[in-house]
Amino acid sequence: DGGITQSPKYLFRKEGQNVTLSCEQNLNHDAMYWYRQDPGQGLRLIYYSQIVNDFQKGDIAEGYSVSREKKESFPLTVTSAQKNPTAFYLCATTGEVYTEAFFGQGTRLTVV
Amino acid sequence: GQSLEQPSEVTAVEGAIVQINCTYQTSGFYGLSWYQQHDGGAPTFLSYNALDGLEETGRFSSFLSRSDSYGYLLLQELQMKDSASYFCAANTDKLIFGTGTRLQVFP
Repeated sequence: DGGITQSPKYLFRKEGQNVTLSCEQNLNHDAMYWYRQDPGQGLRLIYYSQIVNDFQKGDIAEGYSVSREKKESFPLTVTSAQKNPTAFYLCATTGEVYTEAFFGQGTRLTVV
Repeated sequence: GQSLEQPSEVTAVEGAIVQINCTYQTSGFYGLSWYQQHDGGAPTFLSYNALDGLEETGRFSSFLSRSDSYGYLLLQELQMKDSASYFCAANTDKLIFGTGTRLQVFP
């Protein structure tokens, strides 16, 4: 089945650790996005990539890093520089015309 | 900066009609889309407006006025399962989401 797979579904991080969230898609979409959602809030854009080997910062990129070495994959690393990383992280893709976005099921990250 | 504003909460009863407004301020605007998100889940696509006017998809309709930088989502014949958060999103060179509206439907 075509879709977007995020893993893991739940992730626990100790303070001071880097963690990487996986996002894989088989929709053959060029554009991929990472969003952060805090409880009761909207989706805030962290990073986005419109093509392989290229990505841009969103509104809240500080403390995060990404790579786009393959069209199918857009992993997000939450670094120790992100002081409040506990949140719900969503990966999304859009096709050529940027109309409909498809989302993964999300990763819920908790700092312990 | 780019922003999309929505009311934070709307309540209605089953069978009623509700309208969720969205005003936006963006550059490089292609169109406005709408998403539904149930608690704990991922957003799902509802509709997209590239041109001014009304788009109808079953019980849901969406409207766009580019000149007013304004759009709305209209939900008719409300059902309990429509209780969720609704987001407008601006399609530009990236996808920017609004602040979200929580809809509560009461019996």
